[in-house]
Amino acid sequence: AQSVTQLDSHVSVSEGTPVLLRCNYSSSYSPSLFWYVQHPNKGLQLLLKYTSAATLVKGINGFEAEFKKSETSFHLTKPSAHMSDAAEYFCVVSDKGVQGAQKLVFGQGTRLTINP
Amino acid sequence: GAVVSQHPSWVICKSGTSVKIECRSLDFQATTMFWYRQFPKQSLMLMATSNEGSKATYEQGVEKDKFLINHASLTLSTLTVTSAHPEDSSFYICSVTAGGSGKPQHFGDGTRLSIL
Repeated sequence: AQSVTQLDSHVSVSEGTPVLLRCNYSSSYSPSLFWYVQHPNKGLQLLLKYTSAATLVKGINGFEAEFKKSETSFHLTKPSAHMSDAAEYFCVVSDKGVQGAQKLVFGQGTRLTINP
Repeated sequence: GAVVSQHPSWVICKSGTSVKIECRSLDFQATTMFWYRQFPKQSLMLMATSNEGSKATYEQGVEKDKFLINHASLTLSTLTVTSAHPEDSSFYICSVTAGGSGKPQHFGDGTRLSIL
């Protein structure tokens, strides 16, 4: 079975400084990996996805993530944090579900706080 | 624009009431929809996979008689929490997918259910 581990439950950075949210995955086959963001009392918004194409994936709002098979990692980065980036971030791996549907396995989430 | 419409966004009701939550796919026909539950400060837990025209597949530990899922059309799935009790209070989120390997899921904005 697939799994993901988000290494930090909470990350706090100052506005304008880089952001690094760490994620390691476990997969028995070539995985599809995603990062989603959730603002309070909202659903999830897709930031970016990796599906075995380029290992460096660019997403929305200046975020990007690099797939490193040797390290089984898929860390999320952003060069310069903005106050609006404060939210909960989920690293997600897809797994085989019912009747071929993709089933998502979520990490525990990382809460990103941005200090003025 | 929004891909998924989830309604209502917030429900407060008395113990013993049944509550229905709707999830609509706005941009494409979704043969598969997913229902998740999220407790405060926790990750999303998949409750069930909803397939159009057939019975939903529930995850282990989820009571199918408690959480009734109907997926009568390619754009609508409903989750009914029957005889709700305070322990059912949670944030419920649906998602839809166009299917296929690596395709992301698109999430609704969630429904905050509070049982008094």
